[in-house]
This record gives sequence, structure tokens and C-alpha cells, in this order.
Amino acid sequence: GAGVSQSPSNKVTEKGKDVELRCDPISGHTALYWYRQSLGQGLEFLIYFQGNSAPDKSGLPSDRFSAERTGGSVSTLTIQRTQQEDSAVYLCASRRQESAEKLFFGSGTQLSVL
Amino acid sequence: AQSVSQHNHHVILSEAASLELGCNYSYGGTVNLFWYVQYPGQHLQLLLKYFSGDPLVKGIKGFEAEFIKSKFSFNLRKPSVQWSDTAEYFCAVNRNTGGFKTIFGAGTRLFVKA
Repeated sequence: GAGVSQSPSNKVTEKGKDVELRCDPISGHTALYWYRQSLGQGLEFLIYFQGNSAPDKSGLPSDRFSAERTGGSVSTLTIQRTQQEDSAVYLCASRRQESAEKLFFGSGTQLSVL
Repeated sequence: AQSVSQHNHHVILSEAASLELGCNYSYGGTVNLFWYVQYPGQHLQLLLKYFSGDPLVKGIKGFEAEFIKSKFSFNLRKPSVQWSDTAEYFCAVNRNTGGFKTIFGAGTRLFVKA
């Protein structure tokens, strides 16, 4: 595609519900990241998929968070039993290969947990 | 733990003032350094990057940054800011090892008064 696509753009949910956030990276990009952006916390690294290697999950804040990348393309970030502190913008980024090249970012999913 | 520190969280300047935003990182070894910018309502985009060579790099819109290895710093500068530079600025680092995992700083919100 022309750019990194994320859906939904906005998600409002009730505390305790599960949510799924989707990311479609640029076609052919092998590296895919999820970040969380919240006030005062900047861009917090969550998880990194790099080609066929095992993902780097070191940034996931708790076991309620998980992510998958199917077929080396689309990725889904799942948050189970959402809490109010999960409210943030969740950003996806992709890169052509495992290199020092720049990241291409999506527009993010604004998650609000009531 | 590896980290990226941005010293100023909020900066307010008048047009034509000079800008310098600090960035320090804690990685050892060879690093690749980036500044990204997020204009209001837009995606994060690359402003400039340093991989090797001349430690003074120039980016878009008159921005430049200087890599000082001995200080583990990569400060962003612009001699004369414009109202259109109002944005959030993020410093980022990755290394040639570890799959080029990219870590961001907390960001600096710049507001330029017309």
C-alpha cells in the first residue's frame, strides 16, 4: 500500500473489555514496530517484528498485551481486560528491512478506556 | 538499560529565535541516530539522520544536528524558528546489532509564537 494503515482510528471501550488494533505495513516491509504514545511518556516501545525472527516483546507492559504478525504482513495488537491506564495512541511503524533506514509511521489508534 | 533522554519536554520560542533541543543516549558501540517530527494532526516523519561520516548532519526545513560521540549526544538545532515549526520532536537511536531495534526519547513539544 501507499503507507502504513492502522484501524480503527479511534476506539472507545469499557474497562475490562478486550480490544484488537490492526496494522497494515507498507508492502514488502519486513520490520514492524508497535509503540504507545501518551502524554509525558513519549513514544514507548512495545514490540518489534523482524522478518522471520522471533519478535522482541521486551516492551510489552504486562501479560495483558500481545501481538501477532501473520504471513509477515498484517499485525494485530491485542489488549485483554483493558484498564484506564491503557488509554493512549498506539502507533505502528514499518521499515523496508532490518537496517538503519527510517521508519514509516501510521496515523495511530486512539484508545480510550472508560 | 538502553535509553534515550530528551532534556526539554516543553519549549516556547518566538519566531526568529534560535532552537537547540538536547538528546542523549546510553547505548555503547556504533549507533544510528535520528530526529523525527510530528506536526499537529500529521504522522511522525523523519527530520534527519546520522549513520556515519560528518557528525554535523543537515535535514529538511533548515534543521541540523551534531553527533558528539564523547558526550553521547545528538542535539537538534535551527538558527531561526518559524511558526510552522510548532510540533513535537523525537530523538531516536538504534544499533547495527540487535536487529536495529529503534528506541525513542520522550519527545519535546515546541511551540513557536508568531
